Amino acid sequence: EDQVTQSPEALRLQEGESSSLNCSYTVSGLRGLFWYRQDPGKGPEFLFTLYSAGEEKEKERLKATLTKKESFLHITAPKPEDSATYLCAAADSNYQLIWGAGTKLIIKP
Amino acid sequence: ETGVTQTPRHLVMGMTNKKSLKCEQHLGHNAMYWYKQSAKKPLELMFVYNFKEQTENNSVPSRFSPECPNSSHLFLHLHTLQPEDSALYLCASSPLDRANTEAFFGQGTRLTVV
Repeated sequence: EDQVTQSPEALRLQEGESSSLNCSYTVSGLRGLFWYRQDPGKGPEFLFTLYSAGEEKEKERLKATLTKKESFLHITAPKPEDSATYLCAAADSNYQLIWGAGTKLIIKP
Repeated sequence: ETGVTQTPRHLVMGMTNKKSLKCEQHLGHNAMYWYKQSAKKPLELMFVYNFKEQTENNSVPSRFSPECPNSSHLFLHLHTLQPEDSALYLCASSPLDRANTEAFFGQGTRLTVV
């Protein structure tokens, strides 16, 4: 069964403390791996799409990477405004999106 | 703003009420979606419309009834809901259905069933 698992469920960091969020997937015929950011009371906001193992994408303090089994969202020197829930989703061979439950990231000043 | 607007933002309704959620996008997208988001659970896809035609219904109870009058508007009609239906309902759009491109989400309607 296709599945996407995100870990940890929640992560508390001090401002400036770099870390990574994990998205493990078992999806047949991966068509794309998506990362979204969701602020409280808002809908998810698109961050990145990765299509093949080895691919990397960056945006400000965020870098997303992809292997054949998992994706990482690396956050370098985070700031309080990076606090949010980060969601990942994998598109299977039929382009159906399978979502993870998210990682709630809290950056303390 | 993402270009996808949902109204109302908050809704409290009794189990015998009938209400409707509205979604509007002016991004020129051809696919629109309804999702349900419950706390600490993955997003659940409810309905997909592609070029105004429903292409997917993920075993959603009949107390949820979607309507897509044109490619810019999407409604979710609600009747005789249960307390477990309380959740954040998200509308999204994308250029094409079943394409590996990003979706744009509205801010959601927080629904509470009492």
